[in-house]
Amino acid sequence: RKEVEQDPGPFNVPEGATVAFNCTYSNSASQSFFWYRQDCRKEPKLLMSVYSSGNEDGRFTAQLNRASQYISLLIRDSKLSDSATYLCVVNRERDDKIIFGKGTRLHILP
Amino acid sequence: NAGVTQTPKFQVLKTGQSMTLQCAQDMNHNSMYWYRQDPGMGLRLIYYSASEGTTDKGEVPNGYNVSRLNKREFSLRLESAAPSQTSVYFCASTPGEPNIYDEQYFGPGTRLTVT
Repeated sequence: RKEVEQDPGPFNVPEGATVAFNCTYSNSASQSFFWYRQDCRKEPKLLMSVYSSGNEDGRFTAQLNRASQYISLLIRDSKLSDSATYLCVVNRERDDKIIFGKGTRLHILP
Repeated sequence: NAGVTQTPKFQVLKTGQSMTLQCAQDMNHNSMYWYRQDPGMGLRLIYYSASEGTTDKGEVPNGYNVSRLNKREFSLRLESAAPSQTSVYFCASTPGEPNIYDEQYFGPGTRLTVT
């Protein structure tokens, strides 16, 4: 299993729909999980941290499944402005540094 | 506050030329980082610095040097640019010592092309 793996997409979703994507990780001892958002030709920005109990911020919900070693991001009532690449971030075992996934591209269609 | 700033925004170099990418942050953060981002690849850590005067290698340090001039500034130097260094370079900072829990604050990036 790769250290961090994401479906690259693109996910083409109509406005108003719900979309979810996952990120799998290989380090069963990982303690740190994030979702970052990166707009086209811009820098990554933190979207939300992912806690063991799951967390919600408005239309966004992040979940952690330790047993299956993945985190998920759910976006409800999607907006055109949600179009971006979503990067999964996890800490890895060999040097306890964080590692960024390659990202999942999301296109919200009008 | 400007956050993290980077110069230049774009640069084209010929193979063998040298240049320095500049990064500065005004958030009084202790740690600073340099990443590169290539198509189809995740962000990869080149070097990082936990404090003024200290630097450490990341995942892909070969062909680069860094300098933590003071708490605000962290520069990345390419001594002899190669086409394989064509990439988008991001500088980032975090408040405390490098750890796995802090949010990373990124600069706008430098798009470098080496021909």
